[in-house]
Amino acid sequence: EAGVTQSPTHLIKTRGQQATLRCSPISGHTSVYWYQQALGLGLQFLLWYDEGEERNRGNFPPRFSGRQFPNYSSELNVNALELEDSALYLCASPEGIAKNIQYFGAGTRLSVL
Amino acid sequence: QKEVEQDPGPLSVPEGAIVSLNCTYSNSAFQYFMWYRQYSRKGPELLMYTYSSGNKEDGRFTAQVDKSSKYISLFIRDSQPSDSATYLCAMSAGDYKLSFGAGTTVTVRA
Repeated sequence: EAGVTQSPTHLIKTRGQQATLRCSPISGHTSVYWYQQALGLGLQFLLWYDEGEERNRGNFPPRFSGRQFPNYSSELNVNALELEDSALYLCASPEGIAKNIQYFGAGTRLSVL
Repeated sequence: QKEVEQDPGPLSVPEGAIVSLNCTYSNSAFQYFMWYRQYSRKGPELLMYTYSSGNKEDGRFTAQVDKSSKYISLFIRDSQPSDSATYLCAMSAGDYKLSFGAGTTVTVRA
């Protein structure tokens, strides 16, 4: 059974551009969680999608948005990139019934220059 | 005050020693308690999870949760150089979002 997959591995953008990150959850699971791991700030919850809907959102500005597709894969979009958006973006998915127990992908490292 | 507090270390121990890690928290609604291991520039790997209070053992790893004190611990016995990593505690309640500690960097010296 495949785990959580994320692409691309690395992404380099300049200030003001848009970034798109992708995630596929563990096969058969409908929930996708996005987290940001920025230097000095630790891992912070960004967004939760389930059954195609946004279910919860962390304390991030509206330029962080996303969507979930019918196959439950998800896309995170970051508009009007700022230097402080440079971080490792992690996607997680539950494996069983308990949505609290989450497994992470390898992440996308976004660098904003 | 942060919702989850974790001493960032760093912690350096000789091979074979017991590694002791802990976190404290303030949100009494937390029901699930997780420990993740993260190697440099990789995604976090789930090591263990506990629901509510109690102890759980898995090989060389033991997780303890004391909800009355809002305190959780992870012990690694017979530590190996391959255990060198950053260890993150994480907790969640009914909203399913994980709240993380800052992570403790552990080095096991051969």
